[in-house]
Amino acid sequence: QAGLTQPPSVSKGLRQTATLTCTGNSNNVGNQGAVWLQQRQGLPPKLLSYRNNNRPSGISERFSASRSGNTASLTITGLQFEDEADYYCAAWDSSLSGWVFGGGTKATVL
Amino acid sequence: EVHLLESGGGLIQPGGSLRLSCAVSGFTFSDYAMIWVRQAPGQGLQWVSVISGNGDNPYYTDSVKGRCTVSRDNFQNTVYLQMNSLRVDDTGVYYCAKGGSPERPDDAFDFWGQGTTVTVSS
Repeated sequence: QAGLTQPPSVSKGLRQTATLTCTGNSNNVGNQGAVWLQQRQGLPPKLLSYRNNNRPSGISERFSASRSGNTASLTITGLQFEDEADYYCAAWDSSLSGWVFGGGTKATVL
Repeated sequence: EVHLLESGGGLIQPGGSLRLSCAVSGFTFSDYAMIWVRQAPGQGLQWVSVISGNGDNPYYTDSVKGRCTVSRDNFQNTVYLQMNSLRVDDTGVYYCAKGGSPERPDDAFDFWGQGTTVTVSS
């Protein structure tokens, strides 16, 4: 099952802004949007954004999600060292009747 | 407070079977789909299976179809993943996660367990 496409890595300086992308197709991202997850080393994933782009309770406003066509984006403003993590997107694929994940983007704060 | 606790992982030889469990508390279990996701060592997340709140609609990723069965007990608030004919590439951490509901379809992946490790090796 084909997955979503994410760049493998992004590196930005402290307090800068990083934008992570997630590209799918009209059956998944373009259909119902994507969720965004953060996974720090050794921990389970944590939801950063629902697929309607709303943040769960307790998630910093520095994380914002959006979508344009078949591409979802996660913008992290004011990068902090604690933001160093792997970031994954996932979307329900109506043609596959299953969830598809991106390969993940490793974020490094310089 | 929501809690998800996986169990049942372990070391198993290729061709063997395991049943993973995920015990849930803190929300109306029967209202929500439940999702299994795995992560091979050093790799990304891979969706494995999802089952609807009433258990009527299970779906699987292609690589486990015919080998895995997802089920749930809405009285015990537990979801299961029966894994048969295990292969080396099934090795990884298996997480359960809360899915959405018909009323709240966007509520997927908002809660996760800590994971249980499955190692398939001879």
